[in-house]
Amino acid sequence: DTAVSQTPKYLVTQMGNDKSIKCEQNLGHDTMYWYKQDSKKFLKIMFSYNNKELIINETVPNRFSPKSPDKAHLNLHINSLELGDSAVYFCASSQDLRTGGEQYFGPGTRLTVT
Amino acid sequence: GNSVTQMEGPVTLSEEAFLTINCTYTATGYPSLFWYVQYPGEGLQLLLKATKADDKGSNKGFEATYRKETTSFHLEKGSVQVSDSAVYFCALSDRGYNKLIFGAGTRLAVHP
Repeated sequence: DTAVSQTPKYLVTQMGNDKSIKCEQNLGHDTMYWYKQDSKKFLKIMFSYNNKELIINETVPNRFSPKSPDKAHLNLHINSLELGDSAVYFCASSQDLRTGGEQYFGPGTRLTVT
Repeated sequence: GNSVTQMEGPVTLSEEAFLTINCTYTATGYPSLFWYVQYPGEGLQLLLKATKADDKGSNKGFEATYRKETTSFHLEKGSVQVSDSAVYFCALSDRGYNKLIFGAGTRLAVHP
């Protein structure tokens, strides 16, 4: 019973390609997030959606486009991949937007751009 | 803006040693504070949290106290085990949107 799942777990692709990462949560949460973890393990928020509505967009290049078809899903599409996009991408969810709410993280998707 | 600073690792300890990982924060207002743990090859898990000054979060033998006067949230454990080897992240939750701002992470390695 995985609470937050992501596919694929690994993604290797060439520069210039377009790829998507999918995220699903079965916790009934209203809020979902995308975080990027770089090679030094530093984690930074990219996007947040609440009830399918974009809430946070942290100056991410517009090659990155999140899409939330419903509350349980938040996908990340990346156009024209660059070497610097190589990272681990984590999806997370929380019950709602209230400060202090626990976020539940998926297992991550390791993206390698060659 | 808001930020979190935590001690650089790696921290290497023998089993049953005492652990402290320092964390300080800068924030306007009164954020919530968290410690998350990342085991090798896995996502992050919440270890403990505190939502107001002087609160103590605790879980699995780990503790941290929200100290407003020193803007700190240091993680401690009295006796570490090999299974505690992981990367530990201190984080704060930005008011309004539950956005997590993380420290750089501290890798802990515990040897038998």
